Amino acid sequence: SQKIEQNSEALNIQEGKTATLTCNYTNYSPAYLQWYRQDPGRGPVFLLLIRENEKEKRKERLKVTFDTTLKQSLFHITASQPADSATYLCALSRGDPGKLSFGAGTTVTVRA
Amino acid sequence: DTAVSQTPKYLVTQMGNDKSIKCEQNLGHDTMYWYKQDSKKFLKIMFSYNNKELIINETVPNRFSPKSPDKAHLNLHINSLELGDSAVYFCASSQPLGEQFFGPGTRLTVL
Repeated sequence: SQKIEQNSEALNIQEGKTATLTCNYTNYSPAYLQWYRQDPGRGPVFLLLIRENEKEKRKERLKVTFDTTLKQSLFHITASQPADSATYLCALSRGDPGKLSFGAGTTVTVRA
Repeated sequence: DTAVSQTPKYLVTQMGNDKSIKCEQNLGHDTMYWYKQDSKKFLKIMFSYNNKELIINETVPNRFSPKSPDKAHLNLHINSLELGDSAVYFCASSQPLGEQFFGPGTRLTVL
């Protein structure tokens, strides 16, 4: 059966450091992968999308890589700030219009 | 100006009751969704409508029935509520294959 795993439930880091989150998948051939941020009591907010033929995408302090051989995506937050504290969700799609399968999320806490 | 709105934000009800959650988007998107997020924060798609037509219907009990009166609205009606239905329900919208915009969620508690 299809599985999407995010490396850990929680990640605690010091302000200014780089947070690296992992999203692994099995029995899945995604056409693209998305990362979302979710704050407590709120809906997820889209951050980045990367397609299967792309290796890397950047947006400000965020970077996503996508390795379809390893079946893995890495999500990096550089120069992290306490405001980056949230749960980060990866989501995969095979290309079925709109159908996203989400991982369970990794909660990042950035200490000042 | 709210992009995706849901009402109500909180819903507390007794087992066996019937309830509805409403969703509206003003983004002009063709596709709308309902997701369920359980106590373990796992977000799972339930339904998707594209231009008022049902295109995704995951394994969801028949007690859940979505209705899309027009492409800006997608409502969720739940019959005979059970304890296990307690969760946060999110509405979302997008263009096909695009990023999804989520509403603020409706926290449903079944007693």
